[in-house]
Amino acid sequence: EAQVTQNPRYLITVTGKKLTVTCSQNMNHEYMSWYRQDPGLGLRQIYYSMNVEVTDKGDVPEGYKVSRKEKRNFPLILESPSPNQTSLYFCASSLLPTGTSYNEQFFGPGTRLTVL
Amino acid sequence: KNEVEQSPQNLTAQEGEFITINCSYSVGISALHWLQQHPGGGIVSLFMLSSGKKKHGRLIATINIQEKHSSLHITASHPRDSAVYICAAPSGNQFYFGTGTSLTVIP
Repeated sequence: EAQVTQNPRYLITVTGKKLTVTCSQNMNHEYMSWYRQDPGLGLRQIYYSMNVEVTDKGDVPEGYKVSRKEKRNFPLILESPSPNQTSLYFCASSLLPTGTSYNEQFFGPGTRLTVL
Repeated sequence: KNEVEQSPQNLTAQEGEFITINCSYSVGISALHWLQQHPGGGIVSLFMLSSGKKKHGRLIATINIQEKHSSLHITASHPRDSAVYICAAPSGNQFYFGTGTSLTVIP
């Protein structure tokens, strides 16, 4: 089954404790993105990747890091989480570049992060 | 100003009602996406359209590219339609998302 998986699905942590949210897709997609979703603000892009070792900042990259060492995996790293990073996070992948018109994005199930 | 605006933000309907959700966008695009976010959080693609109308079951999406406006209609709404509906406009290197319309259909 074609899918994007994320782990963990739920995480409660404390300020400053480094964490990683994993994302993996089995569709051989080159393009992957991370989004955060906050009430009243919708989905905002954090980082995106066009291929292995090729990443770029989205609209809200501050406080986040990513890596793309393998095509299927695109982990999101919070080196020193803060309460303002409490949010719902989605990983997504697509066959074509993210901004291409007829290009379906496949979303992971989401990770609900709470930073105390 | 958001590149994509949706209305209404929240919508409550009785089962069987006809529902309309509106989306206006300011970026130049060739096609618009409608997404559905289930209560559990998962997001799935409903439609991608660049002109006219598309229909899938009880869902109908329309778009007017010149006016930069799209609508999502649900006919004979059902409680299982309760979800957040998001319109998204792909442009450049990213998608621009609306803030979503939270729909609750009451039996």
